[in-house]
Amino acid sequence: GDSVTQMEGPVTLSEEAFLTINCTYTATGYPSLFWYVQYPGEGLQLLLKATKADDKGSNKGFEATYRKETTSFHLEKGSVQVSDSAVYFCALTLYNQGGKLIFGQGTELSVKP
Amino acid sequence: GAVVSQHPSWVICKSGTSVKIECRSLDFQATTMFWYRQFPKQSLMLMATSNEGSKATYEQGVEKDKFLINHASLTLSTLTVTSAHPEDSSFYICGGGERGSFTDTQYFGPGTRLTVL
Repeated sequence: GDSVTQMEGPVTLSEEAFLTINCTYTATGYPSLFWYVQYPGEGLQLLLKATKADDKGSNKGFEATYRKETTSFHLEKGSVQVSDSAVYFCALTLYNQGGKLIFGQGTELSVKP
Repeated sequence: GAVVSQHPSWVICKSGTSVKIECRSLDFQATTMFWYRQFPKQSLMLMATSNEGSKATYEQGVEKDKFLINHASLTLSTLTVTSAHPEDSSFYICGGGERGSFTDTQYFGPGTRLTVL
């Protein structure tokens, strides 16, 4: 079945370090891919998305490229800040699923000053 | 991005009582609302999908008589936890589906923390 796998956390980085959170997917069709961020005690916020192969989603310094050949959508940021500490969820949806999202397990990021 | 509100943000209730959680899309029409449950340090578990004006579709293992979902308008969906018990304590999040050209983007509410004593 369709699924999303993320690297396990927690990930602990120093401020201004480079961030990569790996995400791979399995899908029977052509999914759209998303990264959501959840700050403590809050709901999810859409961080970025990509709807087709080779698309790059970007927002707030974060980037992810839809790689069909490796079925991946890794999240990157060149220089993290303490305020980026949160849980990051990779997710996919298929057009014929009425918008239903399939989430990865989430990766907790902790950035130390 | 589109905004979804949830009310209340937290609620504490006694075992056996019912609790209603409201989810509103403030600046778009959510033809579809999704309800999720999240346990601490875990991912979101989809409970049910509701389309405006029709019955909700529940995921396997979710009791539809216990978790009543109503989606009476394009901007409001409600989840009622009936006869709540301590094991129903959780973080409940709704997501509104916004129709796009080729894909659907979901926007989430801030969540409701339910504690059943």
